[in-house]
Amino acid sequence: AQSVTQPDIHITVSEGASLELRCNYSYGATPYLFWYVQSPGQGLQLLLKYFSGDTLVQGIKGFEAEFKRSQSSFNLRKPSVHWSDAAEYFCAVALGSYGGSQGNLIFGKGTKLSVKP
Amino acid sequence: DSGVTQTPKHLITATGQRVTLRCSPRSGDLSVYWYQQSLDQGLQFLIQYYNGEERAKGNILERFSAQQFPDLHSELNLSSLELGDSALYFCASSVSHRGNTEAFFGQGTRLTVV
Repeated sequence: AQSVTQPDIHITVSEGASLELRCNYSYGATPYLFWYVQSPGQGLQLLLKYFSGDTLVQGIKGFEAEFKRSQSSFNLRKPSVHWSDAAEYFCAVALGSYGGSQGNLIFGKGTKLSVKP
Repeated sequence: DSGVTQTPKHLITATGQRVTLRCSPRSGDLSVYWYQQSLDQGLQFLIQYYNGEERAKGNILERFSAQQFPDLHSELNLSSLELGDSALYFCASSVSHRGNTEAFFGQGTRLTVV
């Protein structure tokens, strides 16, 4: 069965430091992978997604993620964190095979990011 | 603002009661998805409708039901509510049911069962 694991429940980084949030997935075929961000009291906003092709994908707000099939990972990175990046981050995989809807997702449990001034 | 509207934003009700959550998708979107976000279960896909018809079902309890109306808005009905149903319920919408269209999430309805 498909699953997504985010090993870190909570991460604290200093403003200006680099960030890497880990995500591992379990999926038989080529996965559709996503990273979402949820600010307090807000809905989910898509940061970036990977379907195929270049394994390094760029997203909004300066985030990027790298798909590594050999490690079943899709880690999210940002070179320099801003205080406004404090939020909860969710990795997700789309249910179904190629062509499956982007709205049918299995989410990880999330990683809460705190930013120190 | 994603363009997906959910009402109400907050709802407090007693155990055993029934509530209806409403979702208006983005203009032009035919597909609607419902999710439940709880502390113990995390974010779970409940159900998807496309152009009025049920398209996919996830971990939705039998006490829960949903529908999508001709004007494409959707309602999630939760009945015989239990304390464990307290959660944030999200709706998302996309243009189609296919994988090449992004889903946009609303801000959620926070349900508290007391």
